[in-house]
Amino acid sequence: EIVMTQSPATLSVSPGERATLSCRASQSVSSNLAWYQQKPGQAPRLLIYGASTRATGIPARFSGSGSGTEFTLTISSLQSEDFAVYYCQQYNNWPPSYSFGQGTKLEIK
Amino acid sequence: EVQLVESGGGLVQPGGSLRLSCAASGFTFSSYEMNWVRQAPGKGLEWVSYISSSGSTIYYADSVKGRFTISRDNAKNSLYLQMNSLRAEDTAVYYCARVGGELLSYFDYWGQGTLVTVSS
Repeated sequence: EIVMTQSPATLSVSPGERATLSCRASQSVSSNLAWYQQKPGQAPRLLIYGASTRATGIPARFSGSGSGTEFTLTISSLQSEDFAVYYCQQYNNWPPSYSFGQGTKLEIK
Repeated sequence: EVQLVESGGGLVQPGGSLRLSCAASGFTFSSYEMNWVRQAPGKGLEWVSYISSSGSTIYYADSVKGRFTISRDNAKNSLYLQMNSLRAEDTAVYYCARVGGELLSYFDYWGQGTLVTVSS
């Protein structure tokens, strides 16, 4: 089973600043990596797939990079609506299971 | 507009059963692979089960294998999760999620979730 590890667990950033979130896989997942945003009481929303492709309707301030075992989600200029929990997910080691990171909570500094 | 609407959650005693449903609309349901994903209170996301577009291929997480059964009715645009022998650790919000890309890839649409509470 591939284990996904996100860091940091909590990130405090001021609005307008850049946020960088990391995700590491225990073995290579190629570019089969997605990022999701989840706000309290809501379902997750797909942001990035294929490690770097923005999903439909996602603003350009969200960008993804990386391949193999190291991945990064960057939010270039934080807006108030961006403060949420972010999860990475690999879909390379399949079957038998998808795996998610434990999440990074992005909070207002 | 793609919509996924779960239902069927509720309070059930340990050892009991529950059947969740997910009603799909706004897309050709029979063409898409589907999944169930759960989230325990205050915790992260855990994949539960996968079903191919035709229903012929099914996978489960080890944590639910032998207790949960995923199925679909393409004529009714519906996805199901039959949950038996429920345990306290199955308490979670259960989401249905559509596979958006190529075979067995990321999830592009999620329902709003239905809460299952296993408690005596």
